[in-house]
Amino acid sequence: KAGVTQTPRYLIKTRGQQVTLSCSPISGHRSVSWYQQTPGQGLQFLFEYFSETQRNKGNFPGRFSGRQFSNSRSEMNVSTLELGDSALYLCASTTRDRSYEQYFGPGTRLTVT
Amino acid sequence: KNQVEQSPQSLIILEGKNCTLQCNYTVSPFSNLRWYKQDTGRGPVSLTIMTFSENTKSNGRYTATLDADTKQSSLHITASQLSDSASYICVVSLTGGGNKLTFGTGTQLKVEL
Repeated sequence: KAGVTQTPRYLIKTRGQQVTLSCSPISGHRSVSWYQQTPGQGLQFLFEYFSETQRNKGNFPGRFSGRQFSNSRSEMNVSTLELGDSALYLCASTTRDRSYEQYFGPGTRLTVT
Repeated sequence: KNQVEQSPQSLIILEGKNCTLQCNYTVSPFSNLRWYKQDTGRGPVSLTIMTFSENTKSNGRYTATLDADTKQSSLHITASQLSDSASYICVVSLTGGGNKLTFGTGTQLKVEL
């Protein structure tokens, strides 16, 4: 069974640009969550999608948005990039509504210059 | 504010030795506590998940304990191996929070010959 995949794996953008990251969950998983990981702040929850609806949201500005498609694939978008947005962006999928087990993808390393 | 604190920040041990990592949390209402292992440049991998009614759970050489009264957890690694070198992250889930998780900043473990 294929794991969670994220594309692209690495990305370099300039301040002010926008970026879209993609996450394909494990087949059959309907919940996708996104996290930002930085050396200073550690892992922080961005948002969670379940059945194309945003179910939970972390404390990030509106520049961070996401969506989920009918096949459970998810995208997150960051507009007007700032230097502080440089981070490893991880997505994780779970099997069912209240499953405890989350499976993480390898992440997308975003560098903003 | 819901927080998860881990200690020590970093640890160096010799191969074959045991070690114990600590996690204190103030997350409430508490649903479950997880320990993840994250190798450099990769997504976290789940080691154990415990609900408030469980006080110990093992996964091979990894044993996690939980004291929900004192809001403390520990991860004990037995007979360490070089491959145990990684960041170990304690994660707490809120009741009713779905997959909205609160992460500790991790303990960086290095196992040396």
